[in-house]
Amino acid sequence: EAGVAQSPRYKIIEKRQSVAFWCNPISGHATLYWYQQILGQGPKLLIQFQNNGVVDDSQLPKDRFSAERLKGVDSTLKIQPAKLEDSAVYLCASSSPTALALETQYFGPGTRLLVL
Amino acid sequence: AQTVTQSQPEMSVQEAETVTLSCTYDTSENNYYLFWYKQPPSRQMILVIRQEAYKQQNATENRFSVNFQKAAKSFSLKISDSQLGDTAMYFCAFIHNFNKFYFGSGTKLNVKP
Repeated sequence: EAGVAQSPRYKIIEKRQSVAFWCNPISGHATLYWYQQILGQGPKLLIQFQNNGVVDDSQLPKDRFSAERLKGVDSTLKIQPAKLEDSAVYLCASSSPTALALETQYFGPGTRLLVL
Repeated sequence: AQTVTQSQPEMSVQEAETVTLSCTYDTSENNYYLFWYKQPPSRQMILVIRQEAYKQQNATENRFSVNFQKAAKSFSLKISDSQLGDTAMYFCAFIHNFNKFYFGSGTKLNVKP
C-alpha cells in the first residue's frame, strides 16, 4: 500500500512570501493531520481533518496559515505571508481508526521549509 | 490536559548493547493508546511500537519492547542488541478517544560502533 505523499520535499522562500504544501494521505484514511516540527522539538499539531471537516485547528495561526481538504482526500497547507519563525518541517499524517489500526498515524516524508 | 514528558534529551549506547528510553505522561483518562515513533536523520517518522492501556501485557516487536506501568503513568522503550540503524530521534506519543496526538519532546539516540 502506498504511504502518505507530500510535496515539495524542500522549499526556500523569502519572508513575507507565500508557500503551499500538498499532502495525499493513504487511500481510505479519513483522518488527516498537519504538524509543524521545529528543529530539535516534537511535532506540534496544526490542524486535524476528519474527511473534509476540521476537527481541531486550535494551534493553527489563522492570521497567516490556512488549510483545506476538498473532497476529503488531498489537502493543502498554505502560509501567507511567511515569517522567519515558520522555518520548520511540515509533516502530514493520516489514520484510519479501526480495531486493527488502533488509531496509529502514518507520516509522510515532510516538507522542509526555510524562510530567509 | 494530557502531557507527555521525555526527560532524556540525548542518549548514547554501544552497538549490540541494550538501552532504555523513558517516557511519562499525565492523563485522567482510563482508556488510551501509547506509541513510540522513530525519526532517523532527515527521514520520515515511522511507528516502532504501540500499546493499548487496557492491556496489561507489555508490547514487543522484535528487538523493541516496552515497560508499561499504568499506575505510574510510565511507558519506557527498551532496545535490545542496538544496531547502527537505530540511531534516530525517538518520540513517545499518547492519544485518547480519537482525539489528537500528544508528542513528547524526543530523545536523540546515538548508537556507537
